[in-house]
Amino acid sequence: AQSVTQLDSHVSVSEGTPVLLRCNYSSSYSPSLFWYVQHPNKGLQLLLKYTSAATLVKGINGFEAEFKKSETSFHLTKPSAHMSDAAEYFCVVRDHSGSARQLTFGSGTQLTVLP
Amino acid sequence: GAGVSQSPRYKVAKRGQDVALRCDPISGHVSLFWYQQALGQGPEFLTYFQNEAQLDKSGLPSDRFFAERPEGSVSTLKIQRTQQEDSAVYLCASSAPGLAGGLNEQFFGPGTRLTVL
Repeated sequence: AQSVTQLDSHVSVSEGTPVLLRCNYSSSYSPSLFWYVQHPNKGLQLLLKYTSAATLVKGINGFEAEFKKSETSFHLTKPSAHMSDAAEYFCVVRDHSGSARQLTFGSGTQLTVLP
Repeated sequence: GAGVSQSPRYKVAKRGQDVALRCDPISGHVSLFWYQQALGQGPEFLTYFQNEAQLDKSGLPSDRFFAERPEGSVSTLKIQRTQQEDSAVYLCASSAPGLAGGLNEQFFGPGTRLTVL
């Protein structure tokens, strides 16, 4: 079984300051991990993905995430927040057991960026 | 269009009515997924198709939910005798064929917001 826990339902930062969105996962097998972003009235967009290559993953719009197996974490970071980063962010896991292909989403973190 | 499209974007139904939600995947994508996103929650898996074959329907919450993809392209999610707890955004995603054991990105549509009164 696989699951994801996003530790903060809401995060608020000032423009130009760092962003940290926390995620812990549980998976029976070596997982693939993703971060998706959802802007209002828009579809989910993939920010980045980890698939057992480099543990530090770079994504779009300056976001990064680091896979830490010992901590079962996959936190999302960005050095400097922009107003356009305000959105809902989802940490997502897919393990490789059986033939399952579906994604398992966390409950989301709403990021607010203050001017 | 280049992306996944869904229609209608909004649907209001009276309790007990049947509804049908449509998904047009990206051309050539063999895999198609349906997810349900309740207010304030992350999407939850409903069902998965590979071409016209429904390979996994373990996430469908009841036998009132039915999905089909008869020609391996467009898919329809049907909900019979809608209940208030069915109110949610229904998301469709598609992905391209890949190498055995490979993982391809799922591209999501904008969703259909269903409100059951």
